[in-house]
Amino acid sequence: AQSVTQPDIHITVSEGASLELRCNYSYGATPYLFWYVQSPGQGLQLLLKYFSGDTLVQGIKGFEAEFKRSQSSFNLRKPSVHWSDAAEYFCAVAPRSGGSYIPTFGRGTSLIVHP
Amino acid sequence: NAGVTQTPKFQVLKTGQSMTLQCAQDMNHEYMSWYRQDPGMGLRLIHYSVGAGITDQGEVPNGYNVSRSTTEDFPLRLLSAAPSQTSVYFCASSPLAGTYEQYFGPGTRLTVT
Repeated sequence: AQSVTQPDIHITVSEGASLELRCNYSYGATPYLFWYVQSPGQGLQLLLKYFSGDTLVQGIKGFEAEFKRSQSSFNLRKPSVHWSDAAEYFCAVAPRSGGSYIPTFGRGTSLIVHP
Repeated sequence: NAGVTQTPKFQVLKTGQSMTLQCAQDMNHEYMSWYRQDPGMGLRLIHYSVGAGITDQGEVPNGYNVSRSTTEDFPLRLLSAAPSQTSVYFCASSPLAGTYEQYFGPGTRLTVT
């Protein structure tokens, strides 16, 4: 069965510092890959997605993610964190084939930003 | 274009009461789903639908019913509320073709006492 692992439950960074949130997946074939962000009291919003092609994907709010097939990873990065980036971040995968459309979400990483 | 809407935003129920959480989308998406979010548990899929008249169970379906009579609406029914159903509930939709990007509603915070 497919699974998504976000090994860090909480990450604390200082404003202006760089950020990397980790995501590893277990899947039979390379799935579609997503990162979502959930601001406090809000629903989830798509940050970026990987389908094919360039393994470095740019998203909204200055985020990027890199797909590494050999490591089954899709880590999210930002060079300089802003206080407004404090939120919950979810990695997700969806199958490319097989008739199933159900995405699998990781358990989330909570980002805390210190001034 | 309102996207995915959910009502109510907050609800308090007593054990044993029933209620319906409403979800609607105006993007003509075939796929709709319900998740519950609990601390440390991430998002858990309750039920989903790939079109009007078609529903199926997710990871945690017990205690919940759904129906899909139209493309736009996907209500979630709690038959007899229990304290274990205290959670935040999210509805999501996506097209079946192409991206599978999920569009989420703002959530309903439910407390069962």
